[in-house]
Amino acid sequence: NAGVMQNPRHLVRRRGQEARLRCSPVKGHSHVYWYRQLPEEGLKFMVYLQKENIIDESGMPKERFSAEFPKEGPSILRIQQVVRGDSAAYFCASSPASRQDQPQHFGDGTRLSIL
Amino acid sequence: AQSVTQPDIHITVSEGASLELRCNYSYGATPYLFWYVQSPGQGLQLLLKYFSGDTLVQGIKGFEAEFKRSQSSFNLRKPSVHWSDAAEYFCAVGAVLGSQGNLIFGKGTKLSVKP
Repeated sequence: NAGVMQNPRHLVRRRGQEARLRCSPVKGHSHVYWYRQLPEEGLKFMVYLQKENIIDESGMPKERFSAEFPKEGPSILRIQQVVRGDSAAYFCASSPASRQDQPQHFGDGTRLSIL
Repeated sequence: AQSVTQPDIHITVSEGASLELRCNYSYGATPYLFWYVQSPGQGLQLLLKYFSGDTLVQGIKGFEAEFKRSQSSFNLRKPSVHWSDAAEYFCAVGAVLGSQGNLIFGKGTKLSVKP
């Protein structure tokens, strides 16, 4: 079984451009989480989605960031008008249910670099 | 507010020596606790988890962790470290009782292994 697939693995953007990060969860998992990891830091929660619904976006910056998890296709984290401070590793995780005994499975991340 | 503290940023041990990585948490109710390992350029792999019951938890790759409620700790241990254990280790707490919600991570401990 394939794990969580994220693409691209590396993404370079210039300031002001848009960045789109994709996440395909483990087959059968309907819960997706996005985290951001800054250098020398742990992962910080951004958003939690189920199919077609945003459940918790308390960690998302109020501007420029959005996320979706459509009925068909991968989850997308979208960053508009990127700035240097958006440079980070973005990780997606998935789980089959919103229960604590179903740990989250992580992808290998997308490393976003802003020139 | 919930938080996780990993006091040691970087630890170096000799191959074959024992290892203990510290983790302290702050949480208002019964916590759900996790240890993840991250190799360079990779995502996070779950080592072990604690939900309830026996306070000594066995994980993969020979790791174990002990939950001590009185000390609010969940330290990770391994009796004999292998060179392949060199990586960064993250302790995390489940933030939402009764549903998985998001995880709160510590800042990580980087483990180096001397030959």
